[in-house]
Amino acid sequence: AQKVTQAQTEISVVEKEDVTLDCVYETRDTTYYLFWYKQPPSGELVFLIRRNSFDEQNEISGRYSWNFQKSTSSFNFTITASQVVDSAVYFCALTANYGQNFVFGPGTRLSVLP
Amino acid sequence: EAGVAQSPRYKIIEKRQSVAFWCNPISGHATLYWYQQILGQGPKLLIQFQNNGVVDDSQLPKDRFSAERLKGVDSTLKIQPAKLEDSAVYLCASSLGLRGGAGNQPQHFGDGTRLSIL
Repeated sequence: AQKVTQAQTEISVVEKEDVTLDCVYETRDTTYYLFWYKQPPSGELVFLIRRNSFDEQNEISGRYSWNFQKSTSSFNFTITASQVVDSAVYFCALTANYGQNFVFGPGTRLSVLP
Repeated sequence: EAGVAQSPRYKIIEKRQSVAFWCNPISGHATLYWYQQILGQGPKLLIQFQNNGVVDDSQLPKDRFSAERLKGVDSTLKIQPAKLEDSAVYLCASSLGLRGGAGNQPQHFGDGTRLSIL
């Protein structure tokens, strides 16, 4: 069975600090996809990034960066110079190659204080 | 591009009553998902459709929950009869669907329906 663990339940940082959200996954599939979604207080889930299991290159998008390491089954998300608008619950998710067995982690609530 | 539409936004019913939720996905999206998100938890997939066929309903409590997508476009999710533990937000999402692997398609979510059972 597929599983996603986000060990950090809640994180609080002060604005402009860097913060890393951890994600560890379990799967028996050799081909799979990993995602990060953001759920702001308004409630709508917003897609941030997807990564397939064959692409271990780290990715940077503005203040966001992602570190994918198959050796440790981790897909961590870093926000650089955090802002108050980054306050949200962040979910890591995993799916098999054809989109079946889609599993979300329990989420990490990030509070960025001014 | 219009997003995923869901209705109603809120619903309050008593236990043992029935309730139905409606979802209209983004135009052209072949895959449609229903999730249950209990307060403080991540979304849990209830059912996944590819066009009008079911891809995954392994976590759908079939004794009380049902869903359909008859014409491969919009979808309804029904609970009959509702229990107290069904209080949650019900999220609908859609994606482009299977093209050598639906897993590589990001899902677009609606605003959800918040269900409260009294």
